Amino acid sequence: QKEVEQDPGPLSVPEGAIVSLNCTYSNSAFQYFMWYRQYSRKGPELLMYTYSSGNKEDGRFTAQVDKSSKYISLFIRDSQPSDSATYLCAMTNQAGTALIFGKGTTLSVSS
Amino acid sequence: ETGVTQSPTHLIKTRGQQVTLRCSSQSGHNTVSWYQQALGQGPQFIFQYYREEENGRGNFPPRFSGLQFPNYSSELNVNALELDDSALYLCASSAMTGKDEQFFGPGTRLTVL
Repeated sequence: QKEVEQDPGPLSVPEGAIVSLNCTYSNSAFQYFMWYRQYSRKGPELLMYTYSSGNKEDGRFTAQVDKSSKYISLFIRDSQPSDSATYLCAMTNQAGTALIFGKGTTLSVSS
Repeated sequence: ETGVTQSPTHLIKTRGQQVTLRCSSQSGHNTVSWYQQALGQGPQFIFQYYREEENGRGNFPPRFSGLQFPNYSSELNVNALELDDSALYLCASSAMTGKDEQFFGPGTRLTVL
């Protein structure tokens, strides 16, 4: 079993839809949780950074962490064609150290 | 504020050759981490440098080595290249201040023939 599991998709939605992206993990020591967006042939861009359990909202994006279930989610409201990208979840047990990534979920938003 | 930069953008090498990739960290950051991202996979941690010392290493063989310079820029060196080394190599910088978000550069795409 991999430390971080993420459904690679692809996920296709119409413009304006609410998108839900998820990851599960096995290491209970993970404390810091991140979501990155990666456009084709580019480096990952940090979208959300969360410590421990709870919700965090930033514009159209909401990150949720449920440590009891070892499950994290990213919600995108009012999705736009420009949101079409690969979304990577990442986590670590100590801030600033090695990030463990999921495989990424490819999202396509059609206009 | 200058972001993370990497050079070259892409390069092609043959099996057995050696390669050096370079990274300049974001202004104010003193820590650099290197990751390897194979096609269709998430990035995998190679190693991290903090104040010019290796500060952690992933499951990569010794032919992957690195350096960090006093200005916090960094190099990744790979010796005896293998076909499986073909990947996007990503550099990320962070500030080691307690929050420590890692910000990535655009990557170097390495193709080994």
